[in-house]
Amino acid sequence: DQQVKQNSPSLSVQEGRISILNCDYTNSMFDYFLWYKKYPAEGPTFLISISSIKDKNEDGRFTVFLNKSAKHLSLHIVPSQPGDSAVYFCAASLDSGNTPLVFGKGTRLSVIA
Amino acid sequence: DVKVTQSSRYLVKRTGEKVFLECVQDMDHENMFWYRQDPGLGLRLIYFSYDVKMKEKGDIPEGYSVSREKKERFSLILESASTNQTSMYLCASSLSGNEDTQYFGPGTRLTVL
Repeated sequence: DQQVKQNSPSLSVQEGRISILNCDYTNSMFDYFLWYKKYPAEGPTFLISISSIKDKNEDGRFTVFLNKSAKHLSLHIVPSQPGDSAVYFCAASLDSGNTPLVFGKGTRLSVIA
Repeated sequence: DVKVTQSSRYLVKRTGEKVFLECVQDMDHENMFWYRQDPGLGLRLIYFSYDVKMKEKGDIPEGYSVSREKKERFSLILESASTNQTSMYLCASSLSGNEDTQYFGPGTRLTVL
C-alpha cells in the first residue's frame, strides 16, 4: 500500500511557465517532506524540504506547499527552464526520526523550449 | 558538502556471480541506505543501517545482503546474481535526527546477463 503517491507519471511544460508537481500521502504521522530531483544515470539530489509546522517553503525558483488537512503537497517551479527536465521524487519522514524516507514513484518533468 | 561515492558507475555480471557494490560516505553519517530504481517503480528500499554492524531489512531484501563493518562504508551483496536484479542501485546516507535528509551517491547501473 503506497503511503506516498505521485499520481502523474509525467508532465510537460513550456519554458518560462510554471511547473506544478503534486504529491499525496496517507500517513498523518509524517512530519517532514522532501523533494528530490534525478537526472538519468545520476543519483537523486535534494531539492527542497518542508516541516509539517509550515505550509510553505521557498528557495529561489522552487516553492513547496503543504496542505496537512488534505495530506497534499506540491512543488512549484517558476519559471521553468529546460534544465529542470528530470524525474522528481516526493518523500516523507515519520516523526520517529530514525526511519527511512518513504518515496513516491516519481514524476518525469519535461520542459519544452 | 556531503559526498557519497559508489565503487562503480556501470557493472556487467553473469547470472550466478557474486556481486559486491560498495558505498562510502565522508560526512560521519550514522545512517546508510541501499535502494534500487526501476522504471515505473520509483525508489525501493533494499536494506538500511543505523550503526556499524547493524542492519535492517527494507521493502525488498530478498536476494540481497549487506555489510557495515565501518561507519563510512556500507556494502550491498548479491550472493547469486539473477537477471531480475538488473537495475540502478543507489546508496544514500543521512544524519540521525528528525530532519532525515538523505544524500545519494551517483548510482551503479548493474546489468546481469
